[in-house]
Amino acid sequence: QKEVEQNSGPLSVPEGAIASLNCTYSDRGSQSFFWYRQYSGKSPELIMSIYSNGDKEDGRFTAQLNKASQYVSLLIRDSQPSDSATYLCAVNSDFGNEKLTFGTGTRLTIIP
Amino acid sequence: AAGVIQSPRHLIKEKRETATLKCYPIPRHDTVYWYQQGPGQDPQFLISFYEKMQSDKGSIPDRFSAQQFSDYHSELNMSSLELGDSALYFCASSLGRTGYNEQFFGPGTRLTVL
Repeated sequence: QKEVEQNSGPLSVPEGAIASLNCTYSDRGSQSFFWYRQYSGKSPELIMSIYSNGDKEDGRFTAQLNKASQYVSLLIRDSQPSDSATYLCAVNSDFGNEKLTFGTGTRLTIIP
Repeated sequence: AAGVIQSPRHLIKEKRETATLKCYPIPRHDTVYWYQQGPGQDPQFLISFYEKMQSDKGSIPDRFSAQQFSDYHSELNMSSLELGDSALYFCASSLGRTGYNEQFFGPGTRLTVL
């Protein structure tokens, strides 16, 4: 079982709708969680970080964390065609070290 | 704002050759990370440095070595290249090395081994 799991998609969402991306992780001791956006052939771009249970909002993006359920999600409101990309969930599972463990990513397509 | 700089952006090598990838972190960032991303794969952590000392090590082959210099830039040295080493190599940097520190990625070096 992979440490960080995401639905690979593709996930298709109409323009203007809400896109919901989900991620589960296996290490209950994980402390920090990150969402990256990656366009094809480009580098991961940090969108959100979240460390505490609950919601964290930044513009059109909302990250949600539930440590009891080992679940983190990303909501994208008012989806735009430029949001079409692969979204990577990353987890820091060992607080003595800094490495990020990534999920395989969810490919999101916004349909105009 | 200044970002992570990587060079070269593209590199083509033959099997058994060596390659050196360079990374210049965001100014004031003291921690550098190297990741490898194969086609259709997620980034895999290779190694990290904090204040010029190796701080964590992942699935880095023994054929690879890396270091961080006094100006905080880092180099990844790859020897005896194999076809399977063809991948995107990303460098990321952060300010500090706790798990809370956000990592910012450079544009990557695309290595092709023929």
